[in-house]
Amino acid sequence: NAGVTQTPKFRVLKTGQSMTLLCAQDMNHEYMYWYRQDPGMGLRLIHYSVGEGTTAKGEVPDGYNVSRLKKQNFLLGLESAAPSQTSVYFCASSYSNPDLQLNEQFFGPGTRLTVL
Amino acid sequence: AQSVAQPEDQVNVAEGNPLTVKCTYSVSGNPYLFWYVQYPNRGLQFLLKYITGDNLVKGSYGFEAEFNKSQTSFHLKKPSALVSDSALYFCAVRGGEMDSSYKLIFGSGTRLLVRP
Repeated sequence: NAGVTQTPKFRVLKTGQSMTLLCAQDMNHEYMYWYRQDPGMGLRLIHYSVGEGTTAKGEVPDGYNVSRLKKQNFLLGLESAAPSQTSVYFCASSYSNPDLQLNEQFFGPGTRLTVL
Repeated sequence: AQSVAQPEDQVNVAEGNPLTVKCTYSVSGNPYLFWYVQYPNRGLQFLLKYITGDNLVKGSYGFEAEFNKSQTSFHLKKPSALVSDSALYFCAVRGGEMDSSYKLIFGSGTRLLVRP
């Protein structure tokens, strides 16, 4: 049971380049999330998904796109990278619970992205 | 709008002494609160959560948190700090009682440094 995995671990891009970050989870979680972590700002939600084929915008969605074609995978895309997107990106997943008992999110190890 | 504040960027404590990491929140409706820990170059790990019930919540690694509704606080505590507790700690609040996506809003983080 690998939990939540992210690829790649590190990446350096030039301004204007595109890339896709892959998140995979093997816990059969319904919900998946993409966050970015910047110094002194905690984690901010970029996009999230409450199930296969559905996505929604979070707090800071501009410049990013996502797709959830398979339940276990959640992709984050940068179409035209900008230096402001230099950050550490974390994927997370959680169960959905019909009793509304809140389940914690499980986080991946992160992707460190630098845009020059 | 839901928000969470961690007023201290860093907390320093000697090994064996009690530690407190502060968190205050602002939510509409019932608060659902979480603490996560991040070790260097790692993803976030869940420590504990408050949903309802006892105001003192016990979690992993000997940590506990005290929920205080009148002071809108959810401080993280440990009776006896270890050097290995040194890490970055995040408080988080669920994004609203009616939010079925379980989105989390994170504080800016507090770095805990336990000196030998």
